[in-house]
Amino acid sequence: SQTIHQWPATLVQPVGSPLSLECTVEGTSNPNLYWYRQAAGRGLQLLFYSVGIGQISSEVPQNLSASRPQDRQFILSSKKLLLSDSGFYLCAFGLGQGFETQYFGPGTRLLVL
Amino acid sequence: AQSVTQPDIHITVSEGASLELRCNYSYGATPYLFWYVQSPGQGLQLLLKYFSGDTLVQGIKGFEAEFKRSQSSFNLRKPSVHWSDAAEYFCAVGAQGNEKLTFGTGTRLTIIP
Repeated sequence: SQTIHQWPATLVQPVGSPLSLECTVEGTSNPNLYWYRQAAGRGLQLLFYSVGIGQISSEVPQNLSASRPQDRQFILSSKKLLLSDSGFYLCAFGLGQGFETQYFGPGTRLLVL
Repeated sequence: AQSVTQPDIHITVSEGASLELRCNYSYGATPYLFWYVQSPGQGLQLLLKYFSGDTLVQGIKGFEAEFKRSQSSFNLRKPSVHWSDAAEYFCAVGAQGNEKLTFGTGTRLTIIP
């Protein structure tokens, strides 16, 4: 069976500092990968998704970026964090079988001060 | 473009009472539909999904949902809620060949004794 991991679970960072959140999937090959952000009391906002290594689609322009250096690894980065980057970041994967079901990781809570 | 509406932001139900969470979607073709649940500080867990066939689908934790094409709805139901059902519930819609899902803004469920 497939599993998805995210780390760190919680992160407190100062404004202007860099960011790197990591997501890895086990038990499947060539998954579709997704990064979402969930602001307090709000729904899910799709940030990036990837259908293969090096293939990144950006949904919302902002100071975040994503990379997929390996098949089952998805990284969310920023060079300089803003206060508005605070939130709950969720990684998800799908099996890319035409009818996409997404499975979510445990999330990373980011607080920018 | 597809969209999802969850008209109830917050619902309070007594333990043991029945539950219905509403979800309406907008999509030009045949959608496929999901319900996810999120406990505080956790990722999203898939409750159930509808792709085709029987319009009444059974999920985990005693939940079910009914697809009604004429009403563009996919409401989630449970005959008797438990205190552990307190969480945020998200409806989502997708389409064949589309990697992305569109999520509703969520309904927060509170259970009172």
